[in-house]
Amino acid sequence: DIQMTQSPSTLSASVGDRVTITCRASQSISSWLAWYQQKPGKAPNLLIYKASSLESGVPSRFSGSGSGTEFTLSISSLQPDDFATYYCQQYNSSPVTFGQGTKVEIK
Amino acid sequence: EVQLVQSGAEVKKPGESLKISCKGSGYSFTNYWIGWVRQMPGKGLEWMGIIYPGDSDTRYSPSFQGQVTISADKSISTAYLQWSSLKASDSAMYYCARLIVGAPGWFDPWGQGTLVTVSS
Repeated sequence: DIQMTQSPSTLSASVGDRVTITCRASQSISSWLAWYQQKPGKAPNLLIYKASSLESGVPSRFSGSGSGTEFTLSISSLQPDDFATYYCQQYNSSPVTFGQGTKVEIK
Repeated sequence: EVQLVQSGAEVKKPGESLKISCKGSGYSFTNYWIGWVRQMPGKGLEWMGIIYPGDSDTRYSPSFQGQVTISADKSISTAYLQWSSLKASDSAMYYCARLIVGAPGWFDPWGQGTLVTVSS
């Protein structure tokens, strides 16, 4: 199975900050990576697919980049609604696997 | 609007059986894979398996093979996840989600989740 490792596990930031979350794959997954946002008590919500394609309706302050084994999710200016947990997911091969999550907290 | 609506929370005893459901609407149910994802309390997301309702082709994560059964009834646009004998360790939130692109692919949208509690 392909292992997905996110860093950091927890991130403390303020409204307006630029934040970056990293996701590393244990082997190359080309650009077959998605990012999700999950708020407490809610289902995950798709933000980014194919490493850098923004899902329709997702604010443009979210962006994704990377290929191969290293990927990033960036939020250009953190908003109150963005405090949540973020997960990456590889779909290069089965079984699909998720990162362990990065919790973005209020500083 | 594409929607997946899951059945309600369940409280069961160890050894009991359970079948939870996920009903799709707003799209052609038979043309997209549906996946199931487990989230244990305070933990991350684990892919359990997927089913293609058009022909019931089913694939399981090795971690869940033999532990659960995934099925679908395309006549009522509903996918299922079932257990024959629950364990306390099956207590978790379970999500269904539509798979985009193929198998594998990414998930969108997700159901609202079904909380399963197994306790004596």
